[in-house]
Amino acid sequence: DTAVSQTPKYLVTQMGNDKSIKCEQNLGHDTMYWYKQDSKKFLKIMFSYNNKELIINETVPNRFSPKSPDKAHLNLHINSLELGDSAVYFCASSQGSGGATQYFGPGTRLLVL
Amino acid sequence: KNEVEQSPQNLTAQEGEFITINCSYSVGISALHWLQQHPGGGIVSLFMLSSGKKKHGRLIATINIQEKHSSLHITASHPRDSAVYICAVPPFKGGGADGLTFGKGTHLIIQP
Repeated sequence: DTAVSQTPKYLVTQMGNDKSIKCEQNLGHDTMYWYKQDSKKFLKIMFSYNNKELIINETVPNRFSPKSPDKAHLNLHINSLELGDSAVYFCASSQGSGGATQYFGPGTRLLVL
Repeated sequence: KNEVEQSPQNLTAQEGEFITINCSYSVGISALHWLQQHPGGGIVSLFMLSSGKKKHGRLIATINIQEKHSSLHITASHPRDSAVYICAVPPFKGGGADGLTFGKGTHLIIQP
């Protein structure tokens, strides 16, 4: 069983479209994260959710919105996609704070044309 | 904000060599993470350590909290160790959920 799963793996779309990336973890963790990896392979935190409460929002445009229907899911919605949104997006989860081991999903490669 | 510096950025070595990757950070932390990103893109947590040393197989991670420095060592390196190794730290806070701040990674290639 995959611990942290993401769908889709690949997403190719046009500028201006709205898209969602889903993330699910079956580890029973209470904290989930979204990270963005840019073309230079640099990872950066976007959001974290702890017990359905947004804890961090790191200067991310408000076109990006995380939605957590329950503790096991943290989906990422992106409105009005721009070329600069092309990147790999990783979901992760942990039990407790950022000092805890994080488990990463396989990543979603987003390409905006 | 914590600044995380890794060195070297790129490292090519021969199979069997002893590898060292260094990480330094600017602000005190509760724990430091070492991650491995495979050529296929997947990210795996290797170590999380808050003091001293941890060992897993041929991998050893050490941390010096006073000097704000950590090292990742690979003994008897093998081509399958070729990957990007990333150092990451959480913000120093009393509690709550905090995302990691990452170094830029060390791209390691082990040649047969």
